[in-house]
Amino acid sequence: NAGVTQTPKFQVLKTGQSMTLQCAQDMNHEYMSWYRQDPGMGLRLIHYSVGAGITDQGEVPNGYNVSRSTTEDFPLRLLSAAPSQTSVYFCASSGRGPNTEAFFGQGTRLTVV
Amino acid sequence: TQLLEQSPQFLSIQEGENLTVYCNSSSVFSSLQWYRQEPGEGPVLLVTVVTGGEVKKLKRLTFQFGDARKDSSLHITAAQTGDTGLYLCAGALRFGNEKLTFGTGTRLTIIP
Repeated sequence: NAGVTQTPKFQVLKTGQSMTLQCAQDMNHEYMSWYRQDPGMGLRLIHYSVGAGITDQGEVPNGYNVSRSTTEDFPLRLLSAAPSQTSVYFCASSGRGPNTEAFFGQGTRLTVV
Repeated sequence: TQLLEQSPQFLSIQEGENLTVYCNSSSVFSSLQWYRQEPGEGPVLLVTVVTGGEVKKLKRLTFQFGDARKDSSLHITAAQTGDTGLYLCAGALRFGNEKLTFGTGTRLTIIP
């Protein structure tokens, strides 16, 4: 059981480049979310989805796009990378309800130069 | 906007000592969760509390949810070097974990 799989684990981009961070889960979870983690700021929500075809913005959505065409996959697209997007990105998934557990991927460390 | 204030941000104590980490907010949460994160890994859930005043124990770790569901604490008894790590609290404003608000984290170091 792989859980939540994120690829790539590390990435270096030049300013202005675009890329997609991949996230896949094999637990048939309805909820999926993207967070970024910066030093001293904890994790901040970028975008989230409550099911296939349904997405919404979180606290820091600017510069990022998402789509949810299947239950399993929730890719995060950086349209035009900026140095301010240098961060560690985490994808999470969970089932419905208050007593379900959120599972996190291992993260993608992104550096924009 | 940071809804969850976590303190202390850094804590370094001797093995065998006790410690408490606090997580405070002005918002009422449907549930509050505590995670532990190791370097290079994602957060891993330790516990979820959903009822005001609830106390949960996980071996030497005791978690408490405030009566008003705005704050929580994590108490570790007789800390061990294996407790070293980053501890994060996270609140859900509504039932479901799709929109978690995280605290800033407490980096705990246990000195042998």
